Amino acid sequence: SAVISQKPSRDICQRGTSLTIQCQVDSQVTMMFWYRQQPGQSLTLIATANQGSEATYESGFVIDKFPISRPNLTFSTLTVSNMSPEDSSIYLCSVDRGSSGYTFGSGTRLTVV
Amino acid sequence: KNEVEQSPQNLTAQEGEFITINCSYSVGISALHWLQQHPGGGIVSLFMLSSGKKKHGRLIATINIQEKHSSLHITASHPRDSAVYICAVGISGSARQLTFGSGTQLTVLP
Repeated sequence: SAVISQKPSRDICQRGTSLTIQCQVDSQVTMMFWYRQQPGQSLTLIATANQGSEATYESGFVIDKFPISRPNLTFSTLTVSNMSPEDSSIYLCSVDRGSSGYTFGSGTRLTVV
Repeated sequence: KNEVEQSPQNLTAQEGEFITINCSYSVGISALHWLQQHPGGGIVSLFMLSSGKKKHGRLIATINIQEKHSSLHITASHPRDSAVYICAVGISGSARQLTFGSGTQLTVLP
């Protein structure tokens, strides 16, 4: 089963700056998913990242704010750009392991001050 | 109405108690997942179900496809079971992302 290394685990950032979150998977996967979990809320899908093509964004999320890279089948990054306090959330990546279910990264707890 | 509804929202139990968390959904699904989220934010997949029942240690998950309902049971609960338990579904005909319930915060007291 896939193991995901997600970095950083947490960060405190100034408003107006950007943060890039990385996810490294120990096996090749076709699709990776990026989620946001706002305080006290459940997970919301930001985008689906396929290798070799542009990410597909969900309603309410745009590429300029959350650019995603997927340079190969084991790695992806999500950038949170021009941050505001409303971006304070947990961000998680995930992969679909088929019949074995889903594997999630350990999460990035972002606080914007 | 949310597509995935969980109950209860919060649950406090004494160590050793039998615990049940419920999940109802209103859409056709390809599979239902039970997930566990610890305070640090990381999520662990506990079960993936499309029918019947699965058991892993003290955890049991059941699903009734006709009633669109699933339950997660914890037998002989322990303080280390304290976490948020999340029900999520893969929607039939959709891309392979999940739709999540709001989660159940479980606290098991010693």
